[in-house]
Amino acid sequence: DIQMTQSPSSLSASIGDRVTITCRASQSITTFLNWYQQKPGKAPNLLIYAASSLQSGVPSRFSGSGSGTDFTLTITNLQPEDFATYFCQQSYRARTFGRGTKVEIK
Amino acid sequence: EVQLVESGGGLIQPGGSLRLSCVASGFIVSSNYMSWVRQAPGKGLEWVSVLYSSGTTHYADSVKGRFTISRDNSKNTLYLQMNSLRAEDTAVYYCARVLVGTTYDAFDIWGQGTMVTVSS
Repeated sequence: DIQMTQSPSSLSASIGDRVTITCRASQSITTFLNWYQQKPGKAPNLLIYAASSLQSGVPSRFSGSGSGTDFTLTITNLQPEDFATYFCQQSYRARTFGRGTKVEIK
Repeated sequence: EVQLVESGGGLIQPGGSLRLSCVASGFIVSSNYMSWVRQAPGKGLEWVSVLYSSGTTHYADSVKGRFTISRDNSKNTLYLQMNSLRAEDTAVYYCARVLVGTTYDAFDIWGQGTMVTVSS
């Protein structure tokens, strides 16, 4: 099984900050890496697919990068509605999620 | 509008069975890859199963042999038959459409989820 290690598990940030979340795969997954945002009591929402492609309707302050085993989700100019939990997910072999990063208000 | 609506969750005793349904609107289930993903209370996301448009199915090791994914084309509905349920199957179950391309495979449409509680 491919394991996804996401860090940090939580972070505190202020409105307007730049936030970076990383995800590492236990083996190469090329660019089969997706990022989701989840708010309490709601289903996840796809932000980024194929490591760096922005899903339709997602604000451009969200961006993704990486390939192979190391990936990054970056949120620039953090907005109030961005406080949520973020998950990475690989789809190279079966499908596995990272354990999530909770972004909280500082 | 493209949407998924799950139903069928509830309280069930260990060893029991339950069938979840996911009705799709705005797209055709049988033309897409469809999946079930679950989330235990306060925990992360766990992929459960996928049904390809070809009819091929795959399961997570944790549910293999106990859960069955299927669809009814006439009802545009996805199902998850869950047998031999265990306490660790307690979770919100989401159905999701899989956005597929040559270099990507992602869950782009999600239902609102249905809660399954396995307890005596």
